Amino acid sequence: AQSVTQPDIHITVSEGASLELRCNYSYGATPYLFWYVQSPGQGLQLLLKYFSGDTLVQGIKGFEAEFKRSQSSFNLRKPSVHWSDAAEYFCASDQGNLIFGKGTKLSVKP
Amino acid sequence: EAGVAQSPRYKIIEKRQSVAFWCNPISGHATLYWYQQILGQGPKLLIQFQNNGVVDDSQLPKDRFSAERLKGVDSTLKIQPAKLEDSAVYLCASSPTLGGSSDEQFFGPGTRLTVL
Repeated sequence: AQSVTQPDIHITVSEGASLELRCNYSYGATPYLFWYVQSPGQGLQLLLKYFSGDTLVQGIKGFEAEFKRSQSSFNLRKPSVHWSDAAEYFCASDQGNLIFGKGTKLSVKP
Repeated sequence: EAGVAQSPRYKIIEKRQSVAFWCNPISGHATLYWYQQILGQGPKLLIQFQNNGVVDDSQLPKDRFSAERLKGVDSTLKIQPAKLEDSAVYLCASSPTLGGSSDEQFFGPGTRLTVL
């Protein structure tokens, strides 16, 4: 069965520092991959998605993600984190229905 | 454009009681989803509707959970009777087309259920 793994439960970074959130998927074929962000009391908002083509995907709010087939990874990056980026981030894979990872909570230090 | 609306936002009940959640998707969206998000986990799909028909309810605990989408617009999710392990946030989402893998899903704010 397909699965999505986010190895880091909680990450703390300083404001202005770079960020990388890890995501690994397990599926034979190339999946559709997504990153969502969930702020407290809010629904999930789509940051970016990958279907095919260019393996570096640009999203909203300055986020990007890189698909690496050889590593079955789809890591999310941001070069400079803002305090408003503090939230929970979910990686998801769609092969018929959306399968989410357990999420990574991001805290931002001033 | 108005987003996905859900009510109530919070609900506290005792075990064995019944509860119902309501979702109003984005206008014109054909596909509607209900997810269960237990604390510390990602959302898990419970049921997917296309218009007013069920596409996937394989993970819906049908002995206690039911859902309907009358007229292909609003939807309700019911739990009867509730158990302690049903404590979770229930998220509703909608997508504009017929639920293909590439579709973006738009999520509501969720209903936080606490079962005591």
